[in-house]
Amino acid sequence: EDQVTQSPEALRLQEGESSSLNCSYTVSGLRGLFWYRQDPGKGPEFLFTLYSAGEEKEKERLKATLTKKESFLHITAPKPEDSATYLCAVQWSSASKIIFGSGTRLSIRP
Amino acid sequence: DAGITQSPRHKVTETGTPVTLRCHQTENHRYMYWYRQDPGHGLRLIHYSYGVKDTDKGEVSDGYSVSRSKTEDFLLTLESATSSQTSVYFCATVSATSYNEQFFGPGTRLTVL
Repeated sequence: EDQVTQSPEALRLQEGESSSLNCSYTVSGLRGLFWYRQDPGKGPEFLFTLYSAGEEKEKERLKATLTKKESFLHITAPKPEDSATYLCAVQWSSASKIIFGSGTRLSIRP
Repeated sequence: DAGITQSPRHKVTETGTPVTLRCHQTENHRYMYWYRQDPGHGLRLIHYSYGVKDTDKGEVSDGYSVSRSKTEDFLLTLESATSSQTSVYFCATVSATSYNEQFFGPGTRLTVL
């Protein structure tokens, strides 16, 4: 069964304390892996797409990496405004279907 | 911003009543999606559309139907609402430059009593 698992479920960091979020998947025939940010009461906001193992994408304090079985979202020197839920999603053989993970709730304390 | 609006934003209804949620987009995107989001389950695809009058089922389509008579509107109908359909519903379209990158609406919070 195709699955996407995110860990940890929740993460509390001090401002400036770098860490990583994990997204592991068991999808066969990966077409793309996506990271989204979701603030409370809002829809998810697109961050990155990764297509192949070894690929990396960066945006401000965020860097996403991809291996054959998992992706990491690295957060460097986070600020309180980085607090949000981060969602991972995987697209496989069908062009129209995407599986989302349950997300990681990230909280950054000033 | 893909110019997506959803209506209503909040709704409370009773078990057994029909409910229709509307998604409207202004970017003329071909693909549109309906998801539900529940604690512990993440986002799950209900139905999607790849053009006017062209729709298909997602992983949790039972109890839901959709219609798309115009490019800009995608309607989600709960024929007879049940308490298990209490959820937050999100509509999404895809980027004009990459069909993999989805843009989401603000969501509709539906409570079925």
